Amino acid sequence: QSMLTQPPSASGTPGQRVTISCSGSISNIGSDYVYWYQQVSGSAPKLLIYRNNQRPSGVPDRFSGSKSGTSASLAISGLRSEDEADYYCAAWDDSLSGPVFGGGTKLTVL
Amino acid sequence: QVQLVESGGGVVQPGRSLRLSCVTSGFDFSSYGIHWVRQAPGKGLEWVAVISYDATNEYYADSVKGRFTISRDNSKNTAYLQMSGLRPEDTAVYYCAKGWWKQLWGIDYWGQGTLVTVSS
Repeated sequence: QSMLTQPPSASGTPGQRVTISCSGSISNIGSDYVYWYQQVSGSAPKLLIYRNNQRPSGVPDRFSGSKSGTSASLAISGLRSEDEADYYCAAWDDSLSGPVFGGGTKLTVL
Repeated sequence: QVQLVESGGGVVQPGRSLRLSCVTSGFDFSSYGIHWVRQAPGKGLEWVAVISYDATNEYYADSVKGRFTISRDNSKNTAYLQMSGLRPEDTAVYYCAKGWWKQLWGIDYWGQGTLVTVSS
């Protein structure tokens, strides 16, 4: 059972802005960095956002992350068909002494 | 470029053992933690274990504690996951992943994964 809660699905049309939420607790999001990963069907996950709001080189600035208290969110602006994928948030959990992942959000581009 | 290549997956009977390997290149292996993360068919990501860059710290998910052991050989740029007492619910694609410089948390690069199927 995931300790980070994400909506199971999200959708948008090309060009739109979508936001994916990730809710946790004081022992995970509330006390450490949040990371976001993109997984295109059949492929390995790819780092999208690190340390709450930092983008690795090569990730378009259409992707942005934020964190407030025990929640985080991923925003994708200018939605494109290639953004269709599963998105996961993750954070270290002090009570588990390990990271926890959200259940994943399947993004559909209509 | 950073590469992680897993191997050792396959079909194994319940109760048996299997060892996964993760051969890495393109970075200073001895300075980074290594994680194993698994994904059951059609399911989300589940963290399994992490080993610190110097192998002084290891942490495990409750679901595998006491059955799985993570290790590393810095001279071979390789990490391992020894799995014993395998159960059908351990069936998954197992990914090894590169951590952050000298820190336990943070994953930036992932391997392509190796499939482990536990079935009689």
